[in-house]
Amino acid sequence: GAVVSQHPSWVICKSGTSVKIECRSLDFQATTMFWYRQFPKQSLMLMATSNEGSKATYEQGVEKDKFLINHASLTLSTLTVTSAHPEDSSFYICSARDRKRDIYNSPLHFGNGTRLTVT
Amino acid sequence: SQQGEEDPQALSIQEGENATMNCSYKTSINNLQWYRQNSGRGLVHLILIRSNEREKHSGRLRVTLDTSKKSSSLLITASRAADTASYFCATDGTSGTYKYIFGTGTRLKVLA
Repeated sequence: GAVVSQHPSWVICKSGTSVKIECRSLDFQATTMFWYRQFPKQSLMLMATSNEGSKATYEQGVEKDKFLINHASLTLSTLTVTSAHPEDSSFYICSARDRKRDIYNSPLHFGNGTRLTVT
Repeated sequence: SQQGEEDPQALSIQEGENATMNCSYKTSINNLQWYRQNSGRGLVHLILIRSNEREKHSGRLRVTLDTSKKSSSLLITASRAADTASYFCATDGTSGTYKYIFGTGTRLKVLA
């Protein structure tokens, strides 16, 4: 159980285009999902907290107009990288928390990540 | 930055040996979690230890937590080549935001 599907697993796009990444919880509902960015051999950097039915909360230094987050349902959050540039190339990972679990003591369930390459 | 520190950054051991990784964090926590990441993949939850617990076991994994020192350790006993991965600790903080901050990670390589 507790499967998170992230799609696509990799994408190559041209500079200036937009890319949408989907994160779906398959067998549980998630009022909260998190989006991370990871550079090679580095840790995960939290970009934003996605809240179902409300605006996302962005971490300091993350441009909300650049990284659009939509959490339209209890099982789907999307991250859109707008007007992508080569410096946006990275590994993006989502995670979700089961709304039925204790918020203080429950694990995060991760998607398998999306490798974005902007040429 | 709230990010925790882990050491060592990289660890290479022989199959059958034990691997120990340490994590230090900066704020008060509700719990600390350890995750594993295979190269180019998402993270898999390994174990959660609550702030009022000092030690926890799960199979070949043993986690300790010292809240007075704001540190935790992960011990993998009798390591296997399949344990080769990056290991991260994550803390939630007690600020009420319920978001997790990940440590810098330890890259473990187990040689067959």
